[in-house]
Amino acid sequence: NAGVMQNPRHLVRRRGQEARLRCSPMKGHSHVYWYRQLPEEGLKFMVYLQKENIIDESGMPKERFSAEFPKEGPSILRIQQVVRGDSAAYFCASSPRTSGLETQYFGPGTRLLVL
Amino acid sequence: GNSVTQMEGPVTLSEEAFLTINCTYTATGYPSLFWYVQYPGEGLQLLLKATKADDKGSNKGFEATYRKETTSFHLEKGSVQVSDSAVYFCAPRGGSQGNLIFGKGTKLSVKP
Repeated sequence: NAGVMQNPRHLVRRRGQEARLRCSPMKGHSHVYWYRQLPEEGLKFMVYLQKENIIDESGMPKERFSAEFPKEGPSILRIQQVVRGDSAAYFCASSPRTSGLETQYFGPGTRLLVL
Repeated sequence: GNSVTQMEGPVTLSEEAFLTINCTYTATGYPSLFWYVQYPGEGLQLLLKATKADDKGSNKGFEATYRKETTSFHLEKGSVQVSDSAVYFCAPRGGSQGNLIFGKGTKLSVKP
């Protein structure tokens, strides 16, 4: 059973460009969480999605950031008009259910560098 | 909302030393508690978890006990190895939809 897949692993963008980060959850998992890790910091929750629905986006910046999890295909975190402060590691995690007892399984992350 | 406080790192130990990494949390109710480990350049791996008071999670020689009265979930290992060098994160379940709340992590370096 493959783990959580993220791609690309590394992404370099210039200021003003768009960044698209992809996350394929573990097989059988329909819940996806996105987290951001700034250098020397812990992870901060961004958004929680189920298939075709955004359940909680309380951690998402109000502008330029969006996320989706379509019926088919991976979850996408999209950052428009990137700025240097967006440079970070972005991790997604998946779980089979939303119960507080469930473990979240993390992908290897996408490291975004904005020049 | 829920929050977590971890002991500041970095922590440097010699091989076979005893390890304690303190973790305390504030929470509404009794959330599940997790320890994750992050090796350099990698994602987070679940190390252990506990889902209710007095539960003890254990894995690879690491242990942590869910202490409701002190709202703590300290990580311990009796004899660390060089391969345990990593960043360790304590994470209670947080928001209404079960996202994890992370502290800054504790970097552990084990010297041979």
